[in-house]
Formats: sequence, C-alpha cells, structure tokens
Amino acid sequence: GESVGLHLPTLSVQEGDNSIINCAYSNSASDYFIWYKQESGKGPQFIIDIRSNMDKRQGQRVTVLLNKTVKHLSLQIAATQPGDSAVYFCAESPGGYNKLIFGAGTRLAVHP
Amino acid sequence: EAGVAQSPRYKIIEKRQSVAFWCNPISGHATLYWYQQILGQGPKLLIQFQNNGVVDDSQLPKDRFSAERLKGVDSTLKIQPAKLEDSAVYLCASSLGGAHTEAFFGQGTRLTVV
Repeated sequence: GESVGLHLPTLSVQEGDNSIINCAYSNSASDYFIWYKQESGKGPQFIIDIRSNMDKRQGQRVTVLLNKTVKHLSLQIAATQPGDSAVYFCAESPGGYNKLIFGAGTRLAVHP
Repeated sequence: EAGVAQSPRYKIIEKRQSVAFWCNPISGHATLYWYQQILGQGPKLLIQFQNNGVVDDSQLPKDRFSAERLKGVDSTLKIQPAKLEDSAVYLCASSLGGAHTEAFFGQGTRLTVV
C-alpha cells in the first residue's frame, strides 16, 4: 500500500519495548487534544484524547501526557507490537471541538 | 456498522482537468468533513458540513474547489481545474455531532495530478 509519510521523522523500537512519541503544539488556547494512528493506505484512527484540565490520561496500553507550560504532548505505548507500526498524529483543538489542527506526524517502526 | 465509504480509491489526471470525489458517511452522522493530506503532512480540513449546511470552509480554495452535500447525506468534492500541487489524499470523515472525537475516517482517495 501507499505510504502516508515518506519524509516523516521515524521512531524505531524493538518489539516489546515501550514507545514515546512527542508532539509540540502551537496554540496556547488549545484545550483539547487527540492522538490518531494512521496505517498505510487507511484513514486516521482515533486512539486517545485529553482535555487541557488534565495532565495524564490512560487507555489500553497507551498513555497521553500533556504539559501545558511548554505546549508539549506525548503518547506512550507500552509493550509495542508490530501492529503498532504506523504514522501517529497529534491534533489540537483551539477553543472547543469545532476544529482540529493536525501536526506533521511521526512514523513508528516496530522491529521483531 | 459500515464505515465511511469513499470512491474512487485512486485517480490520476492531467493538470487543468477536473475531478470529483464521492463520500458516503456513516448512517445517521450529521457532520461530514473533507480533509486534504499532502504526502508527509497531517490532514488539513477543507470543509465541514452540518447536515447539508456549511459550517467551516475557510481553508477551501474556492477558486477551484467546490463541495456539496445534497440531502444531508452523501457528499462530493470537486476540483476544477486541477493543479500539480493538488496531488494528495482526500479524506472524508463523519461524526454524529460536531465533536471530532466521534469522527470516523474513510480510506481516502489518492489523487495524482501529472
């Protein structure tokens, strides 16, 4: 299938390791953030979200951390699996849910 | 539940030609979005519909792009005339309301303008 992000920064990890994907957002007024996963040839898939009144939120094998002071967002994936290989995008919503601004994305490559 | 359907899957056209993409959202979803995703970048919102009305088209190049959502269900996005820089994946998404958390994306249409 076609690749979504041939020129994206790549994070390479070994299967079973933990992965941390980072994102710097631009708008200090953004109060809602989402991480999406996009596999080759597919549309983005919602992973986890967090509101600005929270610092951390956990899902199944994933954790999102928000640092509003430095406008930084991270996605942690525990026990990374080959099926986690994809491009990951953070998206911010300035002032509500009406609009999403996507970041450039990071490619996660999981090696056996 | 069926997902968001898009067609065609791929399209190659010459510059200055016209092209149209079709999207069928998830049944019952009031909000429909069209995004443009250039290779190596995140998706960029082109237009957002609530039922058959436009909510946001601020980033739609209106001199060449148009979109409609007649009857508040299916939608078409048209480019006329196409330019080389329009080469991208065009993604359609839908949600029950206006909240993007509920948005489900289609597989997209890969457009190549030569």
